[in-house]
Amino acid sequence: QVQLQESGPGLVKPSGTLSLTCAVSGDSITSDNWWSWVRQAPGRGLECIGEIYHSGSTNYNPSLKSRVAMSVDKSKNQFSLKLNSVTAADTAVYYCARIATFGDSRGWEKWGQGTLVTVSS
Amino acid sequence: QSVVTQPPSASGTPGQRVTISCSGSSSNIGANYVYWYQHLPGTAPKLLIYRNNQRPSGVPDRFSGSKSGTSASLAISGLRSEDEADYYCASWDDSLSSRVFGGGTKLTVL
Repeated sequence: QVQLQESGPGLVKPSGTLSLTCAVSGDSITSDNWWSWVRQAPGRGLECIGEIYHSGSTNYNPSLKSRVAMSVDKSKNQFSLKLNSVTAADTAVYYCARIATFGDSRGWEKWGQGTLVTVSS
Repeated sequence: QSVVTQPPSASGTPGQRVTISCSGSSSNIGANYVYWYQHLPGTAPKLLIYRNNQRPSGVPDRFSGSKSGTSASLAISGLRSEDEADYYCASWDDSLSSRVFGGGTKLTVL
């Protein structure tokens, strides 16, 4: 049974860089799945940040694309998120998730428990 | 503002059947499959429906999904108090080249 666990600083200063890592267990990061980050700001809905394949291919939310970078570490079976130039609007619970294949479609299937990141000085 | 629209709230009494709608466009729901998720804030979202109308193992058959054109629906029959949660539809958007969520619907069991 796949498990995902987010980790990283819970507090980031404005204009700084948010950095999170998602450790994957029960599945290989090099399996035929995509790996994703999703966030939920206080009082708001879920927002897709983007996704990455183990080859390094990525798809990012256009609204965040200029500030986002995702990467995969095959040796540690984990993937990471970097979001730069953060503001208070980036305060949110950040979830990592596996995007699985369902026939000829893909969708979010398993999620981590989420980690709260607050942007504040 | 999401490109996929859901009503912000829905409600029903125990035992009732409720339906949550999800409205998109030809670039997302009209061209791709719809997924549905149940979410209690602060917990991991749970996959309820994939490929428009398929249930993962372990999801009760009280939950069902459908899609027609650029809209989709999630129906919950035999409503229970534990169904009180936020529900999100999601799909791939060809124009954005990104996955998108609906704005979410908060279901209250009265």
